[in-house]
Amino acid sequence: EVQLLESGGGLVQPGGSLRLSCAASGFTFNNYGMSWVRQAPGKGLEWVSIISGNGDNTYSPDSVKGRFTISRDNSKKILYLQMNSLGAEDTATYYCAKALSSGWPTLNFESWGQGTLVTVSS
Amino acid sequence: QSVLTQPPSASGTPGQRVTISCSGSSSNIGRNYVYWYQQFPGAAPKLLIYRNNQRPSGVPDRFSGSKSGTSASLAISGLRSEDEADYYCAAWDDILSDSAMFGGGTHLTVL
Repeated sequence: EVQLLESGGGLVQPGGSLRLSCAASGFTFNNYGMSWVRQAPGKGLEWVSIISGNGDNTYSPDSVKGRFTISRDNSKKILYLQMNSLGAEDTATYYCAKALSSGWPTLNFESWGQGTLVTVSS
Repeated sequence: QSVLTQPPSASGTPGQRVTISCSGSSSNIGRNYVYWYQQFPGAAPKLLIYRNNQRPSGVPDRFSGSKSGTSASLAISGLRSEDEADYYCAAWDDILSDSAMFGGGTHLTVL
């Protein structure tokens, strides 16, 4: 059974940093792309970052480019999201997700974690 | 405001067939696959449709996707009360900095 467990969320001051982690199990981690998707309170979904199975390809939208970095440790089966220069607009629940199949690029993420809440506030 | 445009709401009665539209452009839906996600309040999204019209294992065949030109649709037949949820389309855009995007979402109410 695929399991994705996010951690690292919490309250952070504006301008601060956080690193989110997503521990994966139940599948061959390095075979699948992974992503971070966020949802601000009461709002819609937003792709935050996507990474290929081997880590060679990444995507981030302009809204987080230069501030957020997605990475993965395939030996530990962990996905990361390093978030710097956080602002109020980054307040959201952050989900990690596993792609349905290998290949790049992809938006077919079939398995999702429960999400971790990031609150940016002074 | 999302580049992929969805109606904010839709509704239907049990047993009815409902469609949710997703309108884009030649740089996104017109040339890339469309994906559909379902989300219940307080829960993570669930992949319903990938590559325009493919269903992942376990998704009932009541759910179907289609694409024509720069628009896509999600159809739900035999509507059930448990289908009441938010639905999001997603696609890549080849021009807007190769952006991955979601539509704004459609809340489906089962009357």
